[in-house]
Amino acid sequence: GAGVSQSPSNKVTEKGKDVELRCDPISGHTALYWYRQSLGQGLEFLIYFQGNSAPDKSGLPSDRFSAERTGGSVSTLTIQRTQQEDSAVYLCASSRVIGTGQGYEQYFGPGTRLTVT
Amino acid sequence: GDSVTQMEGPVTLSEEAFLTINCTYTATGYPSLFWYVQYPGEGLQLLLKATKADDKGSNKGFEATYRKETTSFHLEKGSVQVSDSAVYFCALNNNDMRFGAGTRLTVKP
Repeated sequence: GAGVSQSPSNKVTEKGKDVELRCDPISGHTALYWYRQSLGQGLEFLIYFQGNSAPDKSGLPSDRFSAERTGGSVSTLTIQRTQQEDSAVYLCASSRVIGTGQGYEQYFGPGTRLTVT
Repeated sequence: GDSVTQMEGPVTLSEEAFLTINCTYTATGYPSLFWYVQYPGEGLQLLLKATKADDKGSNKGFEATYRKETTSFHLEKGSVQVSDSAVYFCALNNNDMRFGAGTRLTVKP
């Protein structure tokens, strides 16, 4: 079946503009995750959704970042008033369930490369 | 809190060389352990996993054994290929996922 998809694949924006990144998880996956990967760095966890609910938003770098998920499916990550330090690859992942046990493997999308000029 | 520490890169090997990428973890309880691989320009793909002590995960010639006594999950491959060039991430799941910083592997012909 279809994997996790993300759009756009590349986004170049001017400093100060708002951007919206989209993630379409695997059908039936209840959990959805956003990560940020800066050049040459590991993965920085941003936020996860269980259904449409995000229990912990403390990983978001600043109040310019927000995320929502509707219908238990598509999620959008919005960055307001973008700054150059926001430049990174934003990865989305989904899993069938949250936590340990069967079904917890995370499946990743190809990412959105954001460049703020 | 839980954490994963993996071998710093980059690692450069010749084709057919033996590969080891070290990974150790700190966690309470009994986490599940994973290796993910990220090929250039792509997202992360699950390479292999192990869910309990002494389990061995294997895929595409790669292996890793869950060693609780040494809290390790080292990745090994007997003979690497140029196509194995990628970034490798060790991760654990103990109710939430924690990733290591990644190790970049370059295999030269």
